[in-house]
Amino acid sequence: SQTIHQWPATLVQPVGSPLSLECTVEGTSNPNLYWYRQAAGRGLQLLFYSVGIGQISSEVPQNLSASRPQDRQFILSSKKLLLSDSGFYLCAWSGLGNEQFFGPGTRLTVL
Amino acid sequence: QKEVEQNSGPLSVPEGAIASLNCTYSDRVSQSFFWYRQYSGKSPELIMSIYSNGDKEDGRFTAQLNKASQYVSLLIRDSQPSDSATYLCAPESGANSKLTFGKGITLSVRP
Repeated sequence: SQTIHQWPATLVQPVGSPLSLECTVEGTSNPNLYWYRQAAGRGLQLLFYSVGIGQISSEVPQNLSASRPQDRQFILSSKKLLLSDSGFYLCAWSGLGNEQFFGPGTRLTVL
Repeated sequence: QKEVEQNSGPLSVPEGAIASLNCTYSDRVSQSFFWYRQYSGKSPELIMSIYSNGDKEDGRFTAQLNKASQYVSLLIRDSQPSDSATYLCAPESGANSKLTFGKGITLSVRP
């Protein structure tokens, strides 16, 4: 069966510091991968998606970036965090069907 | 801008009642529709998918889809306190299995 991991689970970072969040998927090959952010009181916002290694599409302009160095690894990064980057970051995968399955998420607080 | 509207909440029902959650979407080309359940502090969990007009039943859950009216709903029969969560409607929105999420409706089931 497929499993999706995210780490860390929680993170507190100062403004201006860098960020690296990692997501890995087990039990499937060539998944589509997605990064979402859920800010307090707001809906899920799609940030990036990837259909293959090195292929990244950005949905919204921001100071975040994403990379997919391996088939089942997806990384979200920032060089300098802003207060507005605080939120619940979720990685998801989809296979041949359209269903997306979410990881446990990373709760980021920028102070 | 693709929009997904969920009826305003929160919704409170007594234990054993039917909870009705509604959703309208703006993208006429959407073909796949998903309902996710999100417990407080947790990541979304897929509970229902529906692709054709009509009803789809899975245990106590029934999804209803009307593409002509751009309307999808979720009925929860015999509601239980464990059903208390936020429910997210997510039509598929374009290629690569992308989804557009509504802001969600919070359901509270009173014992």
